[in-house]
Amino acid sequence: EVQLVESGGGLVQPGGSLRLSCAASGFTFSNYIMNWVRQAPGKGLECVSYISSSSSTIYYSDSVKGRFTISRDDAKNSLYLQMNSLRDEDTAVYYCAVQGVRRPFWGQGTLVTVSS
Amino acid sequence: EIVLTQSPGTLSLSPGERATLSCRASQSVSSSYLAWYQQKPGQAPRLLIFGASSRATGIPDRFSGSGSGTDFTLTISRLEPEDFAVYYCQQYGSSPWTFGQGTKVEVK
Repeated sequence: EVQLVESGGGLVQPGGSLRLSCAASGFTFSNYIMNWVRQAPGKGLECVSYISSSSSTIYYSDSVKGRFTISRDDAKNSLYLQMNSLRDEDTAVYYCAVQGVRRPFWGQGTLVTVSS
Repeated sequence: EIVLTQSPGTLSLSPGERATLSCRASQSVSSSYLAWYQQKPGQAPRLLIFGASSRATGIPDRFSGSGSGTDFTLTISRLEPEDFAVYYCQQYGSSPWTFGQGTKVEVK
């Protein structure tokens, strides 16, 4: 059974940093593209970053480019999102997600609140 | 990246009525990797449909998905009170994943 468990969210001041983690199990983590998707309060869903297997391709949305860094540790079956220079508009629930054989799988999400 | 456009933005219907939601892609969705989600206030999105037409585990058969290429539809055959929510489509056939802006199904 595919399981994705995010952690690391919390309250941070504008300009601060936070590192999100996602622990994966139930599939061969190293073979799959991994995604971070977020949803701000009252807003829609946005893929902010993805990383390919072997980390050869990395994508950032324009809204986070230059501030966020995605990485993975295949030995630990873990995905990370380093978030720097956080802004009020980064307040959102952040989800770790993967495309399975036919369907996507999501974690339960972790809330990041950027506020002074 | 693929842009998904959902219509209508809001659908006002009564319980027992049929709901038809549309999702149009700016280019063909690879392998019909199109999903539909339901979201209620304060909850995470719930996967309803994947592969354009396959129901996820535990989803009632009043929910059905259809379409291919660039045009997809979610149909709720008879609305139950718990079906009033926001619905999103998502393509996961090419990276980055993209999402429609959502359709709100509200009580008329």
